[in-house]
Amino acid sequence: QVQLQESGPGLVKASETLSLTCTVSGDSMSGYYWAWIRQPPGKGLEWIAYIYSSGSTNYNPSLKSRVTISVDMSKNQFSLKLSSVTAADTAVYFCARRGGTVAGAFDYWGQGALVTVSS
Amino acid sequence: DIQMTQSPSSVSASVGDRVTITCRASQGISNSLAWYQQKPGKAPKLLIFSASSLQRGVPPRFSGSGSGTDFSLTISSLQPEDFAIYYCQQANSFPLFGPGTKVDIK
Repeated sequence: QVQLQESGPGLVKASETLSLTCTVSGDSMSGYYWAWIRQPPGKGLEWIAYIYSSGSTNYNPSLKSRVTISVDMSKNQFSLKLSSVTAADTAVYFCARRGGTVAGAFDYWGQGALVTVSS
Repeated sequence: DIQMTQSPSSVSASVGDRVTITCRASQGISNSLAWYQQKPGKAPKLLIFSASSLQRGVPPRFSGSGSGTDFSLTISSLQPEDFAIYYCQQANSFPLFGPGTKVDIK
């Protein structure tokens, strides 16, 4: 059973960089896309970025200038950095697996990590 | 840019009811559509992929249909554990979620 677990600071100051890591267990990361998705409190889901196990990336154009996604296959982890954060970046951040047999859907998710941006 | 809409935004229903939620894409996306269920404080759960394929472990009372721009998710007989928010997602290279449909108790 694939499991994903987000980790990182729950509080980030405005204008600083949000950093999160997702640790994957139960399966190899090879051959899959790995994604970050966020959900502001009481609102819907927004895809941020995904990375293939080979390192190729795709970003949401609305966030692309501020986002970096990376993967460390040796640690079974992938990471998110979001720079110059504002209160609008306050959200629950989910990591998820995309693709495989489910054709571009997200079949495994982490439990989510609430990140609050403080002024 | 593709836009995803869902209707209704909320629906009140009783246990045993048949419930249908629709999702519309502003451009054709073939069958690249997924459906998720999300309960409070939890991550979304994949129900349907490729518009009509049931994810492993999901009860068969859930079904999906559609292609192109118009899609639907049907719950054939609503169960107490089905009260949740449902999201569609276009599953092409730019994943985009619909705004969600809340299914609550009448």
